[in-house]
Amino acid sequence: QVQLVESGGGVVQPGESLRLSCAASGFTFRTYAMHWVRQAPGKGLGWMVFISYDGSNKYYADSVKGRFTISRDNSKNTLYLQMNSLRAEDTAVYYCVRGTTSDAFDIWGQGTMVTVSS
Amino acid sequence: QSILTQPPSVSAAPGQKVTISCSGSSSNIGNNYVSWYQQLPGTAPKLLIYDNNKRPSGIPDRFSGSKSGTSATLGITGLQTGDEADYYCGTWDNSLTAYVFGTGTKVAVL
Repeated sequence: QVQLVESGGGVVQPGESLRLSCAASGFTFRTYAMHWVRQAPGKGLGWMVFISYDGSNKYYADSVKGRFTISRDNSKNTLYLQMNSLRAEDTAVYYCVRGTTSDAFDIWGQGTMVTVSS
Repeated sequence: QSILTQPPSVSAAPGQKVTISCSGSSSNIGNNYVSWYQQLPGTAPKLLIYDNNKRPSGIPDRFSGSKSGTSATLGITGLQTGDEADYYCGTWDNSLTAYVFGTGTKVAVL
């Protein structure tokens, strides 16, 4: 079945780095744009970053621009999010999401928790 | 911060109807498709409506979407206890070159 499975979350100190991965299965990964969306505890959804199907285009939310980097390996059906200079306000559940041609988010992973705390 | 405004909460009795509004601008809702997402407690969000008014396979026709100008609306008829969840609208914003979500609305079944 169509599935996205995130991994790599954990507890880190402010200023540290973390890399999230998202393994896709059940669909032709290389033909879909992908996004990362996060949700701080008790808060709403926040879009983080977009990557086109071939990795040639990337857009970032201002809050993470310059600190986070999205990438993908279509040969491994895997999406990545490199997070550097982490801050307390980056604490959230991070979702890997498949995007459609009309910018709907039709498949969501189960999420991985990132906690930034000293 | 969210630039799509939704009411914090709506409520109704079982079997009744609720509507959730999503207000934006010409840079987002006014010129792009709107989607709606349902997030049941403790779970990942799920796509409920896309392209303003289309339902993915498996979504009952009790859920409907519409758009007019710079606002969109989600309707839920025949309200059930299982519909208690947070609902978010979302669309692309051309000025921000970013996807934007609404502030979210909690639906309560009385």
